[in-house]
Amino acid sequence: DSGVTQTPKHLITATGQRVTLRCSPRSGDLSVYWYQQSLDQGLQFLIQYYNGEERAKGNILERFSAQQFPDLHSELNLSSLELGDSALYFCASSVGTGGRETQYFGPGTRLLVL
Amino acid sequence: DQQVKQNSPSLSVQEGRISILNCDYTNSMFDYFLWYKKYPAEGPTFLISISSIKDKNEDGRFTVFLNKSAKHLSLHIVPSQPGDSAVYFCAADTHANTGNQFYFGTGTSLTVIP
Repeated sequence: DSGVTQTPKHLITATGQRVTLRCSPRSGDLSVYWYQQSLDQGLQFLIQYYNGEERAKGNILERFSAQQFPDLHSELNLSSLELGDSALYFCASSVGTGGRETQYFGPGTRLLVL
Repeated sequence: DQQVKQNSPSLSVQEGRISILNCDYTNSMFDYFLWYKKYPAEGPTFLISISSIKDKNEDGRFTVFLNKSAKHLSLHIVPSQPGDSAVYFCAADTHANTGNQFYFGTGTSLTVIP
């Protein structure tokens, strides 16, 4: 158990809909990262938040947004969903914001868009 | 564009033998490399890392070798055990990142046969 929790574990929705994925980092970790793993793809970095502020941005679509709240949990919002958004979404956390820190991953949320 | 590549989707090895997992990268700015291990229905867990100032790092049965000129790294597991059966992801980072953004490969599924 990494100490990172993600809810829900599974999500099935329809095209055009909007969903919210939630992540609680390990106790004491200030950074939260979101990754997308599509079929036969590696983990694609989406975005990083550190202590409530956006720190780094990767290949995140404009239809996707994220935020980190004062209690350090984070939410990833996916809107106008398309079939291609079906994927595993992982959240990870680390203590700080750089310096080669180990990222601890949650179990993921599996999203299926029909 | 996949900057970190794992060209072998799967590998089978007999228990007690050596497992060698390979990873290639294209970005010469990468200077820190990691291996993560993932069991089904779990998030990736950190295994071992190496900085570009080294060419080898060892941790118990796991050794990572880095060949900067070839932009290649490998993970050796000796001896392999059935519990090592998992998907292994190679990841890379660059000091140019303001955050802690890792670039992941697509993974190699290792099966250790008892």
